[in-house]
Parts: sequence; C-alpha cells; structure tokens
Amino acid sequence: GQQVMQIPQYQHVQEGEDFTTYCNSSTTLSNIQWYKQRPGGHPVFLIQLVKSGEVKKQKRLTFQFGEAKKNSSLHITATQTTDVGTYFCAGSEYSGSARQLTFGSGTQLTVLP
Amino acid sequence: DGGITQSPKYLFRKEGQNVTLSCEQNLNHDAMYWYRQDPGQGLRLIYYSQIVNDFQKGDIAEGYSVSREKKESFPLTVTSAQKNPTAFYLCASSSTGIGNSPLHFGNGTRLTVT
Repeated sequence: GQQVMQIPQYQHVQEGEDFTTYCNSSTTLSNIQWYKQRPGGHPVFLIQLVKSGEVKKQKRLTFQFGEAKKNSSLHITATQTTDVGTYFCAGSEYSGSARQLTFGSGTQLTVLP
Repeated sequence: DGGITQSPKYLFRKEGQNVTLSCEQNLNHDAMYWYRQDPGQGLRLIYYSQIVNDFQKGDIAEGYSVSREKKESFPLTVTSAQKNPTAFYLCASSSTGIGNSPLHFGNGTRLTVT
C-alpha cells in the first residue's frame, strides 16, 4: 500500500533559524496536503499542492511539490515561537477505483526563544 | 460559525465496555471521517463516509463501528473488541471525497481505557 515517510521526526531550532520538513511517497501522488497541529490541538489545513514542481508561499512558509510528484517539502524562514507544533503531510493517490489519503508521521517543531 | 463538534473532550472507560464518540458538523459537507492518533504517529483512518447511509472501512477498522443516518452526524463506537483503544480520536469532514479537498477537524476526544 501507499507509504508516506516524513523526516525529521523532531526538530529543535533557535528562534529566527530556518526549518524544513520533508515528505517522500513510495508512489506517485495526485496531490499533497499539509497540516499543522498545535500542542494539545487538532490538525489545521495549510495548503494543497497539485501540479508537478509546484511552489506556493504563505508569508514565511514555502511549500514545494517535486517534479515526479513523489516528494514534498515545507520550509519556514526565520521561525517564530508561534510556529511551534507538529507539521503533517498527507499524500493522496488512487488505489483501484478509490482515492486514498495517507498521512506522514509528522515533524514536531520546537522553537527556542 | 460552521465547524465540527466532538464530544466529550475526555472520556474514561473500563476495559470491556463499548463507548460511543460523538461527531456533528454544520459545514454541509458530504464526507466525514474518523482518525486515530497515537503519540509520535501520524493520523490513521478508521472509517469514512462519503454519503448518508454509506461508509467504508479505513486502514484500522477492526474493533470499531460507525453509522451515518444523518448528513450532520457520524458517531464512532469503540467496541470491547478493540485491543488497544486508548488514543486521541479525531473526526473530520470535507466538501468532496477523500483526498480531493481539505479536511476540517474537530477538537478531538481523548479516550482512556483502563
């Protein structure tokens, strides 16, 4: 079945440093979604990437979808304490006649003030 | 405000008891989902429903049951057959089918079984 690997599992950064999390799929994806979960909270949708090589920005966050649509990354420039949380990717693909959405295990970001 | 309501936030049960987790949405979404989250792991799909009176098993459906009698409601029953029921349970909905549109999550129910 589809597998989505996400690294690193944990990342500690000093406030102001950059942060990147990576997702890799064992199969070609239809699209990929990114979510953020604050400590004690629920996942909140950030963005969806659909096209090969797509790059989207949201203020300090940059999302990329690989040319082969098998990998993706989320880069945060100049982290702030409000960026603390766990970031999940979720890859979507067709399996038979049904679509599947598989979550990565997440990267837990700690920002030290 | 539109959203998804899960209740209760915390639930404690004795081993061997069935327990039902509530999920209600007023987003007018067709699709609803139940996910399980364990510490340090991603979200794993238990069941999903794309239309009233129809639902499909996810990756870890064993020991769980659901119903979808109304568009707004998708309750999850954790049965005594579930070997490891203690977890954080998240209900979600989306406007279209799985993987096509963003998932909107409820605040979750943290179930502890002793």
